[in-house]
Amino acid sequence: DAGVTQSPTHLIKTRGQQVTLRCSPKSGHDTVSWYQQALGQGPQFIFQYYEEEERQRGNFPDRFSGHQFPNYSSELNVNALLLGDSALYLCASSSDFQGYGYTFGSGTRLTVV
Amino acid sequence: QKEVEQDPGPLSVPEGAIVSLNCTYSNSAFQYFMWYRQYSRKGPELLMYTYSSGNKEDGRFTAQVDKSSKYISLFIRDSQPSDSATYLCAMTPDRGSTLGRLYFGRGTQLTVWP
Repeated sequence: DAGVTQSPTHLIKTRGQQVTLRCSPKSGHDTVSWYQQALGQGPQFIFQYYEEEERQRGNFPDRFSGHQFPNYSSELNVNALLLGDSALYLCASSSDFQGYGYTFGSGTRLTVV
Repeated sequence: QKEVEQDPGPLSVPEGAIVSLNCTYSNSAFQYFMWYRQYSRKGPELLMYTYSSGNKEDGRFTAQVDKSSKYISLFIRDSQPSDSATYLCAMTPDRGSTLGRLYFGRGTQLTVWP
């Protein structure tokens, strides 16, 4: 049973560019959340998608946007990249009907230069 | 003031030691409390979760929640080198089976040496 799959694993971008990160949830999960984890810090909630709509959003600017597809996979888009956007981006999937707890992917390491 | 505070360590102990990891929080609405383990270059892995106050034991791990003090703990007995990782506490006010936003501590880096 595949867990949460994220791509790409690593990414280097230049300031001002745009980036798209992808996530496939664990089989049977229908909810996808995105977190940003800076070095030495805990994950910070970006937003959560359920039924192709943004259900909750954290304190991130509008440069961060997302999408969920009918097959429950999700994308995170970041526009106008800043050096401070360098972090590990984690995708977590869950289901309201499959017990408690998120399953996290291994993340995408984004470096902005 | 951050909503969840966690001492980042690092914490270094010999194999077989009892490890105590702690977090404090400020939001009295938090109902569910979790501990995640994160190995280097990996995503967090759920270790334990508890609802409201009390203790929960799972093998060598015991989680404690004291809502009156806004304080949670994770104890690891007979620690092993394979326990070396970063331990993250997390919590959420969401009830029932609906999982919303998790609020994380910054993590405690643990090293267990042979």
